[in-house]
Amino acid sequence: LAKTTQPISMDSYEGQEVNITCSHNNIATNDYITWYQQFPSQGPRFIIQGYKTKVTNEVASLFIPADRKSSTLSLPRVSLSDTAVYYCLVVTDFSGGYNKLIFGAGTRLAVHP
Amino acid sequence: EAQVTQNPRYLITVTGKKLTVTCSQNMNHEYMSWYRQDPGLGLRQIYYSMNVEVTDKGDVPEGYKVSRKEKRNFPLILESPSPNQTSLYFCASSRRVAGGIGSEQYFGPGTRLTVT
Repeated sequence: LAKTTQPISMDSYEGQEVNITCSHNNIATNDYITWYQQFPSQGPRFIIQGYKTKVTNEVASLFIPADRKSSTLSLPRVSLSDTAVYYCLVVTDFSGGYNKLIFGAGTRLAVHP
Repeated sequence: EAQVTQNPRYLITVTGKKLTVTCSQNMNHEYMSWYRQDPGLGLRQIYYSMNVEVTDKGDVPEGYKVSRKEKRNFPLILESPSPNQTSLYFCASSRRVAGGIGSEQYFGPGTRLTVT
């Protein structure tokens, strides 16, 4: 399973765009990049998943370059409520139709007024 | 409302006293799993189940048991809890998608267990 590396922490201010980059040099052909968000004492919440190029939903955008060795989660105009830990995961498409999630340390994002 | 529920949310117990943490999902998901989260160690998978009567060990299964007699329920059983099982526990579920692509896991609110 591909190992991921992301910054331990980041700081931002309300209204700014935040970009969190994750490197996954050993990503395999059938791996997907997935991001989860976790607030203190709550379960992780799925944010976005992608394979290549760009994916956008109502919460975030995910940019994946052609070599797929890294990815960037982009949060537009963050607010205080976006303060959380963000996990980048490389999810392997196992047979049987489920994805094994391996969580690293994540990036602790602090949004300031 | 689609959700994963866990009970109890908080539990303080003593070493050796058997306990069960319940997990239930209302989304008709095939796949369910249990994680524990500890400071500095992140989230680690304990057990998972791909469907009724099908369970398998995750990365840290020692000291835990599970069962999957119904699709919606996946209880975590600690037969003889020890202090090193003090942790924050999460149950999760997801649907089974052909090829596994696009499947996202839904996590419960967590159960904070303290074993003294």
